[in-house]
Amino acid sequence: DADVTQTPRNRITKTGKRIMLECSQTKGHDRMYWYRQDPGLGLRLIYYSFDVKDINKGEISDGYSVSRQAQAKFSLSLESAIPNQTALYFCATSPRGGGGTEAFFGQGTRLTVV
Amino acid sequence: KQEVTQIPAALSVPEGENLVLNCSFTDSAIYNLQWFRQDPGKGLTSLLLIQSSQREQTSGRLNASLDKSSGRSTLYIAASQPGDSATYLCAVTGLGNTGKLIFGQGTTLQVKP
Repeated sequence: DADVTQTPRNRITKTGKRIMLECSQTKGHDRMYWYRQDPGLGLRLIYYSFDVKDINKGEISDGYSVSRQAQAKFSLSLESAIPNQTALYFCATSPRGGGGTEAFFGQGTRLTVV
Repeated sequence: KQEVTQIPAALSVPEGENLVLNCSFTDSAIYNLQWFRQDPGKGLTSLLLIQSSQREQTSGRLNASLDKSSGRSTLYIAASQPGDSATYLCAVTGLGNTGKLIFGQGTTLQVKP
């Protein structure tokens, strides 16, 4: 089993719908992140969390919200999906210990908003 | 604001060739630099992590170097194979103990048999 698991892997939704992407990890890491990837733009940070009570906005948080239900679970919600949120979404984890630690990524969720 | 650039955007080479992928960043105040591999439909796989105090890291046929003062890193792949075909991403972690990654756009590599 993967250390960082994202569900669903693929999703097509309609404009205006609420959708939740889920991430769970078995690595025991404190830190979790949500990124989105668009063609030609690389990955950009949406939200990150250092523990259940510590949630922080990233570079492109507008239109998104997150919930850290437990150390191992971090979900991303689109309250009212719009077509320009069509992208590949990645969850990542890293251990506590400063900036010099390695990040581990899930398989990604391909979201299409029509 | 930190910006990361990877050149070229795409590269096609014959099997067996040695090759270099380039990554540059605008702010030398980094904690580390990480190289990832991305296969179509799959997630990112970490290849090498170079701490800011290090000059290079090696894993098998891969060697990554870091010149923090000039804001550059290279990923050297020796004796390329068709299985090396993928998109390669570099990312830096800035100072501040957040672990946030700033990515380049990636280089898509095709190794032809």
